[in-house]
Amino acid sequence: EPEVTQTPSHQVTQMGQEVILRCVPISNHLYFYWYRQILGQKVEFLVSFYNNEISEKSEIFDDQFSVERPDGSNFTLKIRSTKLEDSAMYFCASSALTGYTFGSGTRLTVV
Amino acid sequence: QKEVEQNSGPLSVPEGAIASLNCTYSDRGSQSFFWYRQYSGKSPELIMSIYSNGDKEDGRFTAQLNKASQYVSLLIRDSQPSDSATYLCAVNPSGGSNYKLTFGKGTLLTVNP
Repeated sequence: EPEVTQTPSHQVTQMGQEVILRCVPISNHLYFYWYRQILGQKVEFLVSFYNNEISEKSEIFDDQFSVERPDGSNFTLKIRSTKLEDSAMYFCASSALTGYTFGSGTRLTVV
Repeated sequence: QKEVEQNSGPLSVPEGAIASLNCTYSDRGSQSFFWYRQYSGKSPELIMSIYSNGDKEDGRFTAQLNKASQYVSLLIRDSQPSDSATYLCAVNPSGGSNYKLTFGKGTLLTVNP
């Protein structure tokens, strides 16, 4: 069964550092997403991406965040200057006409 | 603010019983509704999707949707210990990207052997 692959599975970074979370969506999917889940809280939408541009973003997705699809297969989320409150699980997802497939997630810990 | 509400639980049922999970949503224009299962530290896994009023059955799982009441539920028959997880209700709100999901906080289900 096709999978959404995320790397790394766990990233520890110092506050103020830049991090890049990587995702390889399912190859024939057209929509790509990032979600995050702070420990004990709900899964929250960050951004959706379609046709090589952002189609929608949430209030969480401020100027510290950016996404790109640099090479037609990878889909990345960059956090420019991490804060303690960015510590969370970050899930990438992709979808076709209906239905999502989530990746296994990257646990980001900001210290 | 478009919200999805669930009882956080925990909901505890004996093995073999029916577990009933409930969800309400605020956006009356919502079109698509999903139940996900999430084990601790893992990603959400799709259990059921439902788009029209009524019941939809898949194996031991039945999703029920009532758009007039803005209510969606999930029944798990013959509950097994392996069903112990957090169940997330997710709604595709109207407007914006067609596939953005708004999640509830989830209901923790424990099935006791």
